[in-house]
Amino acid sequence: KQEVTQIPAALSVPEGENLVLNCSFTDSAIYNLQWFRQDPGKGLTSLLLIQSSQREQTSGRLNASLDKSSGRSTLYIAASQPGDSATYLCAVYSGGGADGLTFGKGTHLIIQP
Amino acid sequence: DAGVIQSPRHEVTEMGQEVTLRCKPISGHNSLFWYRQTMMRGLELLIYFNNNVPIDDSGMPEDRFSAKMPNASFSTLKIQPSEPRDSAVYFCASSLGGLAGEETQYFGPGTRLLVL
Repeated sequence: KQEVTQIPAALSVPEGENLVLNCSFTDSAIYNLQWFRQDPGKGLTSLLLIQSSQREQTSGRLNASLDKSSGRSTLYIAASQPGDSATYLCAVYSGGGADGLTFGKGTHLIIQP
Repeated sequence: DAGVIQSPRHEVTEMGQEVTLRCKPISGHNSLFWYRQTMMRGLELLIYFNNNVPIDDSGMPEDRFSAKMPNASFSTLKIQPSEPRDSAVYFCASSLGGLAGEETQYFGPGTRLLVL
């Protein structure tokens, strides 16, 4: 059964710093990996989706990389801003319907002004 | 577009009562998903529909839970009878199509359920 781990569970950094969030998964046979953002009391917002054949995806100050063979993904946030404060979740899709979509528990990020 | 709409936003009920959660997906989206989020278990996919047909309900915890999608613009998740351990935030999401995880999903704001 696929397991997704996100470390650290919480992170606090000063505004302006570049930072990296980590996601690891146990079964490398995945179709894609997504990074989501969740603000308090709200639903998830999809940030980036990386297909298994891709190495990375970029959107603005965000860059997500995928190393399928080692079971790892990173989300790089450049020049962090207080508005980036949120919980970031990664999810891997291994196919096979509902059981094939597995979420990590997230990294709670605080950007200090 | 208004995005995915869920109602109610908050629900407090007593053990044994029936609870019905509602969802309106984004117009034109063919897939709809119901999730449950708790501190202990994180985010779990309960069931998803494609073109109003339930595709996979293997995530539904037990027979007390049921979901329907009578048309392309409306879905319900029902818990009967409810139990305190059902307390969680329930999210609905929709996507253009495909199986769970194949395409970007758009989430609603969630229904925060508390069963006393």
